[in-house]
Amino acid sequence: GAVVSQHPSRVICKSGTSVKIECRSLDFQATTMFWYRQFPKKSLMLMATSNEGSKATYEQGVEKDKFLINHASLTLSTLTVTSAHPEDSSFYICSADGPGGGGLPYNEQFFGPGTRLTVL
Amino acid sequence: KNEVEQSPQNLTAQEGEFITINCSYSVGISALHWLQQHPGGGIVSLFMLSSGKKKHGRLIATINIQEKHSSLHITASHPRDSAVYICAATSGTYKYIFGTGTRLKVLA
Repeated sequence: GAVVSQHPSRVICKSGTSVKIECRSLDFQATTMFWYRQFPKKSLMLMATSNEGSKATYEQGVEKDKFLINHASLTLSTLTVTSAHPEDSSFYICSADGPGGGGLPYNEQFFGPGTRLTVL
Repeated sequence: KNEVEQSPQNLTAQEGEFITINCSYSVGISALHWLQQHPGGGIVSLFMLSSGKKKHGRLIATINIQEKHSSLHITASHPRDSAVYICAATSGTYKYIFGTGTRLKVLA
């Protein structure tokens, strides 16, 4: 249980185009989903937190207009990289707030397999 | 100084060896998480614990709240255990505070 998928797994695009990445919780409903960016051999960097039906909360330094996040349902969040540039090339990972039941105040996050974006 | 520190940063072991990865944190936590990131990038949640010890197969995670320290142990290591192991803390919110990761390579 608690499986999260991401699509696409890999995308190459031209500079100036927009790219949409989907994150789905397959067997549970996720009120909250998270978007991370990871540079080579570095730790995950939280970009934004999205709650179903409301605006995403972006971390300091993350451009809202560049990284558009939509969480339209309890199983789907999307990240759109608008007007992509080579410096946006990175590994993007989503996670979903798990179904809980562990008796702890906050749920475990379950991670998607990631999307490798290359902007030419 | 990072709020969550891991050691070692890199570790090479022979197949069959017992492996220990350490995690120290300086914040009060609600839970401590151990994650495994495969070479392809996917991340698997291994353990979430707030006290004591948990075991799953060959993996054991322990936490000492007083010492603010957690360890991940791998018994009878295998080349397929080669991955980056990440310790993360949740401290009063849903946000994960990540350690820098331990890159493990198990040789056949």
